[in-house]
Amino acid sequence: EAQVTQNPRYLITVTGKKLTVTCSQNMNHEYMSWYRQDPGLGLRQIYYSMNVEVTDKGDVPEGYKVSRKEKRNFPLILESPSPNQTSLYFCASNHQSPASTDTQYFGPGTRLTVL
Amino acid sequence: RKEVEQDPGPFNVPEGATVAFNCTYSNSASQSFFWYRQDCRKEPKLLMSVYSSGNEDGRFTAQLNRASQYISLLIRDSKLSDSATYLCVVNRGGGFKTIFGAGTRLFVKA
Repeated sequence: EAQVTQNPRYLITVTGKKLTVTCSQNMNHEYMSWYRQDPGLGLRQIYYSMNVEVTDKGDVPEGYKVSRKEKRNFPLILESPSPNQTSLYFCASNHQSPASTDTQYFGPGTRLTVL
Repeated sequence: RKEVEQDPGPFNVPEGATVAFNCTYSNSASQSFFWYRQDCRKEPKLLMSVYSSGNEDGRFTAQLNRASQYISLLIRDSKLSDSATYLCVVNRGGGFKTIFGAGTRLFVKA
């Protein structure tokens, strides 16, 4: 089954404690992306990756890091989480660029709370 | 001002009604356009792409007006299962930057 998986699905942590949210896709997609969703703001793009070892900033990259060492995996790293990073996070992937009409597949989301 | 703006809703309509959602975008370099559907904080799912010529998929019709920087979605014969949040999505930056509208909530009632 074609899918994007994220782990963990729920996480409560404390300020400053480094964490990683994993994202994996089994569709051999080149393009992957991370978003955060906050009430009234919709989804905002954090980082995206066009292929292995190629990443770029989205609209809200501050406080986040990513890596793309393998095509299937695109982890999101919070080196020193802060309460304003409390949010619902989605990973997504699709074949080639999202300017195409290919469907962008989303993971189930990770609900993160930073105390 | 947000780059992609949508009617905030919520829209409350009876079954069988026709409902229209509007979306405007401010960046004229935007290249591709989509409507996504999101149920109750679950992951968004593509509803349809939007083309200048207009496109239809069953009860759903999408339209793009590049001159006015305006996108619309029309739902005919609303079903209870159409209740969801509808997200207007725009791609720019060579297609790699994706901008979501904040979404319009739709409630369809029996």
